Order: sequence, then structure tokens, then C-alpha cells
Amino acid sequence: RKEVEQDPGPFNVPEGATVAFNCTYSNSASQSFFWYRQDCRKEPKLLMSVYSSGNEDGRFTAQLNRASQYISLLIRDSKLSDSATYLCVVNNGYGQNFVFGPGTRLSVLP
Amino acid sequence: NAGVTQTPKFQVLKTGQSMTLQCAQDMNHNSMYWYRQDPGMGLRLIYYSASEGTTDKGEVPNGYNVSRLNKREFSLRLESAAPSQTSVYFCASSDKTGALIPLHFGNGTRLTVT
Repeated sequence: RKEVEQDPGPFNVPEGATVAFNCTYSNSASQSFFWYRQDCRKEPKLLMSVYSSGNEDGRFTAQLNRASQYISLLIRDSKLSDSATYLCVVNNGYGQNFVFGPGTRLSVLP
Repeated sequence: NAGVTQTPKFQVLKTGQSMTLQCAQDMNHNSMYWYRQDPGMGLRLIYYSASEGTTDKGEVPNGYNVSRLNKREFSLRLESAAPSQTSVYFCASSDKTGALIPLHFGNGTRLTVT
């Protein structure tokens, strides 16, 4: 089993839709969690860190469930510009162990 | 503010050739990393440097060497390139280790080994 797994996708949704991505991690010692966005042929960019109590940034909401070792990202009112691959990243807080999921691709259609 | 700068952006090598990928950051970050990204594999850590003067192996170090030249610069060297090293390489940096400290990435180097 991979250490970080994500919905395989791709997700094709119309503009204005709400879409949710799921991510599970296997290392119960994991301490920090992030969502990154990666556009085609570009570098990953931090979308948001995920706090224990969950957090919201505009149209984006991230949730963490430590008991189930599960992270989610909700995007409301999808825009064409949200089309990208979304990467779940987990860090166990020790050393440099950032572990990346394979990513979920989102296409927002007009 | 340039952030993390990688050179070159593209490179084609023949099997057995060598090359060095350069990375520099201007954010005064302590930690620097080299990742490779292959389709369906996610990003995998090659080497990292927690601070100036230290380097450690990541998940896939074979065939690579690194140098942390100073706090700003972290280079990745392929001594004898192989087709299996065809990939996109990303350099990244972070302020320090610990919780909720994210990575900042360079633009990437697309390497093809024929």
C-alpha cells in the first residue's frame, strides 16, 4: 500500500460545481498536511496547509481526520482556472520526510 | 523576489554523459531538496540537505550525487546518465524542519536521456 493515496481521477466538472478530493495516509505518526496545486508542466505550488481543526480559504476548505488518517479538499463554485492536478502532501515532522500522493487531476469545463 | 531558481530548464543527454543541475534560493532557507517526478509516481525525494554542510539520501538516490555549496545553493549531479533518469527534476527549499513548514519549488528541469 502506498504511504499517501488519492482519488485516482480525473474529475471533470462544470463551472460552478462543488468538488471534493480525498486523500488517505498510512503513517499514523504524520504531523503536518498540505494541499498543493500543480498546473500542467509547472512546479507544485502550495494551495493550503491543513490544520487539525480544518481550515477555509475563500472557496477552498480542507479537513483533517486523524482517527481515520484522512484529508479532504473541497472546492466550491469551481472556476475554469481551478483546472490543475491537486497533490496531497504529508510530513511526519521528522527530518525531511514530505511524502507526496500521486495527485488528482481536475478539469473544470465551461 | 526570485524564490527558488533552477537551471537549465531543459536538457537532452546521451547515455553515459554527465551533467549538473543547479539550484539556488534567495529566501534564506535552511533546508533544500531534490525531487524527481515521473508519470503516475508522484514526486520522489532524491537527496536533501537539512542545513549548509549536510546532505542525506532520500528515497531514490542511486545514480545521483549532490553538493550543498553554501546556504543558497544545492546542486544535483548525474555522473553517468541512464534512460531511467529521464524525468522532471524539481529543487525545493523550506525554512526549517517541523510541522506546517511547506516546501517552495523551483520551475523544474526536464531531462531526457537517450
